[in-house]
Parts: sequence; structure tokens; C-alpha cells
Amino acid sequence: SAVISQKPSRDICQRGTSLTIQCQVDSQVTMMFWYRQQPGQSLTLIATANQGSEATYESGFVIDKFPISRPNLTFSTLTVSNMSPEDSSIYLCSAIGLAGQETQYFGPGTRLLVL
Amino acid sequence: KQEVTQIPAALSVPEGENLVLNCSFTDSAIYNLQWFRQDPGKGLTSLLLIQSSQREQTSGRLNASLDKSSGRSTLYIAASQPGDSATYLCAVLFNDYKLSFGAGTTVTVRA
Repeated sequence: SAVISQKPSRDICQRGTSLTIQCQVDSQVTMMFWYRQQPGQSLTLIATANQGSEATYESGFVIDKFPISRPNLTFSTLTVSNMSPEDSSIYLCSAIGLAGQETQYFGPGTRLLVL
Repeated sequence: KQEVTQIPAALSVPEGENLVLNCSFTDSAIYNLQWFRQDPGKGLTSLLLIQSSQREQTSGRLNASLDKSSGRSTLYIAASQPGDSATYLCAVLFNDYKLSFGAGTTVTVRA
């Protein structure tokens, strides 16, 4: 199985600021994703992080608000820009495609509170 | 858009009772189905993965079945324990490699 770590684990931010979340996988993976889980809700896919190219965003999510980088096969970042209280959520990184396995593994999540 | 539904939304049982959690999906063209556990404020732990060609998977006290034709999966947890208290999420992987999640079933096992 893969081990996925995220930094920070939690943060409290002021409205209008930006936060960058890091995701590190302990082995090479083919696909990485970013999800959001709003309070009391299930997970919603934000985007697929593509290595060396622009991320693929789902409907309702845009690059200006959630810029994503993936410089190599094991690392990705998600930035939540110009934050508002509505951005308070858990943000989770996931990865798939480890040595032919199809189980999707998740990081522990980053709990974000925007005041 | 693929939809994944989980019933019930919440479940409370006494310790020792078997748990039955249901998941249904609207599009039968799935790649696989995965059951996750989420503890409060935590990330997701993968419990079982069922490939589209399989009918069930077992791990310890957990058994998950899959009926693609009817668009259903069931997670059985035998002899429940207080440590089984968590939210259980069903997620379906369709051929675009994106997981679609159900809203989850929150389980409470009373000692």
C-alpha cells in the first residue's frame, strides 16, 4: 500500500489570504487527485493533478481559485486562493496506479478553517 | 453524471450485531468499487476493493458484494465492535478514473 502525507494537517487562515497544501507519496504513482470535503458532506473531486502540465478541473472549480502543481510523480500542491469562510473544508490528496494496483489511497487530509 | 447513493445515512446498533450497509449506483459501466472508512476529522482508510468482474471480497469480519447489473453493493460487518464506529463511504470508479462518492453511512456501535 502507499503512504500519502499532507502538510499542513490543519490551519486557520484569514479571509483573503492563500494557503498551499503539499501532498507527498512514498512511491511513484500514475494519477493524483485533489478532493474537498465540506462540513457534513461527502468528498467532491476538485481536479486531477497532471505531471508537468496543467491540472484537469471538474465543473465548478477553476485554476485561478485552486492552482495545482505536480512537478514529479510523487509530489503535488494545491493552493486555495483568496480564501473566504466558504472554503473551510477538509482537503484530501489521493493517488492511484501503484505498480498496477487500482486501489485509490488517500492522505490524512488538511483541515482548513477560514475566518 | 454518475450518482452513488448510500442507505441508511446513519445506523446505531448494539455491540455484537451484524451491520449491513448499502450502496447503489446509476451507471453499471464501472471499473471497480471501493469501500472506505473515515473516522471523525481524519482521512480515508481503504477497506475493500471489488473489481467489476468480481462478485465479492472479504477481509476479516468485512465482506463486500457487488451486483453490477442491479447497480448495488453491500458491505457486511460481522459481530460489530465499538471500534467499528465511523463513517463508511462507498466510492465507484468509472472508466474515466475518477471516483464518485456516496454521502456515507455513519455507524455507531453501542457497548
